[in-house]
Amino acid sequence: ILNVEQSPQSLHVQEGDSTNFTCSFPSSNFYALHWYRWETAKSPEALFVMTLNGDEKKKGRISATLNTKEGYSYLYIKGSQPEDSATYLCAFRHDYKLSFGAGTTVTVRA
Amino acid sequence: DGGITQSPKYLFRKEGQNVTLSCEQNLNHDAMYWYRQDPGQGLRLIYYSQIVNDFQKGDIAEGYSVSREKKESFPLTVTSAQKNPTAFYLCASSSSPGQIIYGYTFGSGTRLTVV
Repeated sequence: ILNVEQSPQSLHVQEGDSTNFTCSFPSSNFYALHWYRWETAKSPEALFVMTLNGDEKKKGRISATLNTKEGYSYLYIKGSQPEDSATYLCAFRHDYKLSFGAGTTVTVRA
Repeated sequence: DGGITQSPKYLFRKEGQNVTLSCEQNLNHDAMYWYRQDPGQGLRLIYYSQIVNDFQKGDIAEGYSVSREKKESFPLTVTSAQKNPTAFYLCASSSSPGQIIYGYTFGSGTRLTVV
């Protein structure tokens, strides 16, 4: 079982503030790193699939960076809104399957 | 609309009984996956299937069984041999096992409680 670590486990953000959190994964045999957003009572939704070292992806106010050499990815939320409240999962792709971290739960306070 | 349907949403079973969780997709995806979530832990892979009539064990396959007789369907049976079956179960699919550009599509999950 591959070790995928996410930190922090949870965070609270004031509406309008920006925040970021980390996903750490094995730096060898890298294929892809996925990010998902999982809102309460909904299905996890794919945000990004990152494949190249130095990759930066953006979707609205959410962006992600990737460092495959050192084995980490950051997810950034700029100007947090209440609708950004969710658990954000990262997953490391290997052998045609994904290993998931435990997630970072973001709560945005109005 | 294309998607993955998991049923039922909530399931209660007595200890010692086998139970089957349904997962159906109409996305024409080749690969399907079953994950389990426990509090404070990441999703853990139970079984996956890359093509019809073929499947592989994931990291925690003991006490579970699957079948893949049709492309659209990947049911998971939780047997009485599973020591701690109470959990949230998620089914997912992807267009092809070798395709790394797109993410997985997930169902909405089944919460199984064994009493």
